[in-house]
Amino acid sequence: GESVGLHLPTLSVQEGDNSIINCAYSNSASDYFIWYKQESGKGPQFIIDIRSNMDKRQGQRVTVLLNKTVKHLSLQIAATQPGDSAVYFCAENLISRSMVLGKLVFGKGTKLTVNP
Amino acid sequence: EAQVTQNPRYLITVTGKKLTVTCSQNMNHEYMSWYRQDPGLGLRQIYYSMNVEVTDKGDVPEGYKVSRKEKRNFPLILESPSPNQTSLYFCASSFGGGNTEAFFGQGTRLTVV
Repeated sequence: GESVGLHLPTLSVQEGDNSIINCAYSNSASDYFIWYKQESGKGPQFIIDIRSNMDKRQGQRVTVLLNKTVKHLSLQIAATQPGDSAVYFCAENLISRSMVLGKLVFGKGTKLTVNP
Repeated sequence: EAQVTQNPRYLITVTGKKLTVTCSQNMNHEYMSWYRQDPGLGLRQIYYSMNVEVTDKGDVPEGYKVSRKEKRNFPLILESPSPNQTSLYFCASSFGGGNTEAFFGQGTRLTVV
């Protein structure tokens, strides 16, 4: 089965609040992690990524935190807006002997709803 | 514009009638893959290709075939579709494996009756 999982399937926040979406992974050898946003009727869109030699990376209004000790990944969205409503997926690069470059394994997603 | 293009976007077909979903990317990516997305199961990899003429099975390859005759194209073939292949399909491409950002197409919603 997939090694990437999410703590909560749904998250509802008020417009303007900060959102935190969590993700657990089980493979300590994974070296790369990505967050994707999927709006209704569209394909997943890249938000932010982080490599295992970092523990924090910031983008525009988004921050990804990586805690390798507990194998936990989180996505923080500042000042959440209605346009942020979507399903968010985390993915890890699962490395194996047959795929030295690894392959992305996706979690099942968290649906974020932003209330006006 | 850099993009991954899938066709068709929507398809309804009958059991057993062969179909092909096309995928094309204009970013000169070597790595391409197909996923299916089902409620509660997330994105699962069907097949992937690391370069021209190099393809391999993903996590759920049964009932699917792929080919990679050119770098930009990676069609998904269902030789004899069955209702359990009703799903939302995504093609993705990246520079290399899973350690770089994957770009996704808009998806193909397939219904097999």
